[in-house]
Amino acid sequence: DTEVTQTPKHLVMGMTNKKSLKCEQHMGHRAMYWYKQKAKKPPELMFVYSYEKLSINESVPSRFSPECPNSSLLNLHLHALQPEDSALYLCASTPNYMNTEAFFGQGTRLTVV
Amino acid sequence: GQQLNQSPQSMFIQEGEDVSMNCTSSSIFNTWLWYKQEPGEGPVLLIALYKAGELTSNGRLTAQFGITRKDSFLNISASIPSDVGIYFCAGQNNNNDMRFGAGTRLTVKP
Repeated sequence: DTEVTQTPKHLVMGMTNKKSLKCEQHMGHRAMYWYKQKAKKPPELMFVYSYEKLSINESVPSRFSPECPNSSLLNLHLHALQPEDSALYLCASTPNYMNTEAFFGQGTRLTVV
Repeated sequence: GQQLNQSPQSMFIQEGEDVSMNCTSSSIFNTWLWYKQEPGEGPVLLIALYKAGELTSNGRLTAQFGITRKDSFLNISASIPSDVGIYFCAGQNNNNDMRFGAGTRLTVKP
């Protein structure tokens, strides 16, 4: 199994809603990542988890709250988002944080209305 | 932070033509990677390069890690319609930070 699975694939939410994005991998990878990608732009790193601990937070606003319940799962909790937060949110994993050969999920297309 | 300059921004080519794109940086990277992203999908790793001067092929794709460690190129030979997508370079530095280039959008006309 060399897949990173993200759910949901599409999400529309209001600015007062609370929702969560989910990511799962069963490759035994110990580093997992959240990226944000706007249209026609490259992915931008948001968070890195290494061995289930938050290693990097790229100055992301607190309305985005990551969680790593175990080595296979990564969540991104969303609350009070703004329309400009609409984007493709990508999850990725690598065997460990030193390794660069990332496997990406299909992404969640988020629209904030 | 370190900036990657990827060019060209977009390419419109005829099926069967060869393609070349590159990335440059003012700083040194330890690793260069090339990803392809198709609409509605996440990026998929095509080639990873770990040593200066390294030349690696993956089917019709060939990529090289520049001798100065500040650049890399990707060539696609005999393009086919399914080569359509956005190609991103990415570089990793000593701090394990990975940065993406802006992407090259490839269109292949049958």
